[in-house]
Amino acid sequence: SAVISQKPSRDICQRGTSLTIQCQVDSQVTMMFWYRQQPGQSLTLIATANQGSEATYESGFVIDKFPISRPNLTFSTLTVSNMSPEDSSIYLCSAPGQGAMGTEAFFGQGTRLTVV
Amino acid sequence: AQSVTQPDIHITVSEGASLELRCNYSYGATPYLFWYVQSPGQGLQLLLKYFSGDTLVQGIKGFEAEFKRSQSSFNLRKPSVHWSDAAEYFCAVGGVSGTYKYIFGTGTRLKVLA
Repeated sequence: SAVISQKPSRDICQRGTSLTIQCQVDSQVTMMFWYRQQPGQSLTLIATANQGSEATYESGFVIDKFPISRPNLTFSTLTVSNMSPEDSSIYLCSAPGQGAMGTEAFFGQGTRLTVV
Repeated sequence: AQSVTQPDIHITVSEGASLELRCNYSYGATPYLFWYVQSPGQGLQLLLKYFSGDTLVQGIKGFEAEFKRSQSSFNLRKPSVHWSDAAEYFCAVGGVSGTYKYIFGTGTRLKVLA
């Protein structure tokens, strides 16, 4: 199993500002994932963070709004840029366990973001 | 397109009663299926998973789920619910398109009455 630590756990931010969320995994993983969970909604994949290359973004998400860094195999950051109240969500970091494609995903505790 | 449907947004049961949470999926190949639980203010915890083999899988906290290919379903069950089971439950398909991506259902919020 993997233990994933995220910080901050929550924040309240002013609109127009940016917030960087950090994700640390206790083991080396090839891929890390960032999800958004809007209030009352399910998880939506934002992007896949690849070590040594650009992140791969899902439809509807762009790098300018959600820049991602992946400097090594245990760490990633997601920045929510130029925030608006619509960005108020829980942001979760995830990493797969070791093994085949269907291996379970492990999740951080999430970052609860409120934009005012 | 791949998708996961959880038809019940909210379910309320009495403590000690049995529970079944429904999950239907649309996926072209044999899916990897998961159930996760999210308690208030917490991340997601894996309850159980199905990759292949026995279609009835056992998980943690007394939960089980049954994979029914003919019905494209993977329903979660528990014979006797405890108050601490109140949480949100997500069904997910993993390994989408040969990647590590997961598709989640919209979740079912479980309320347990004392």
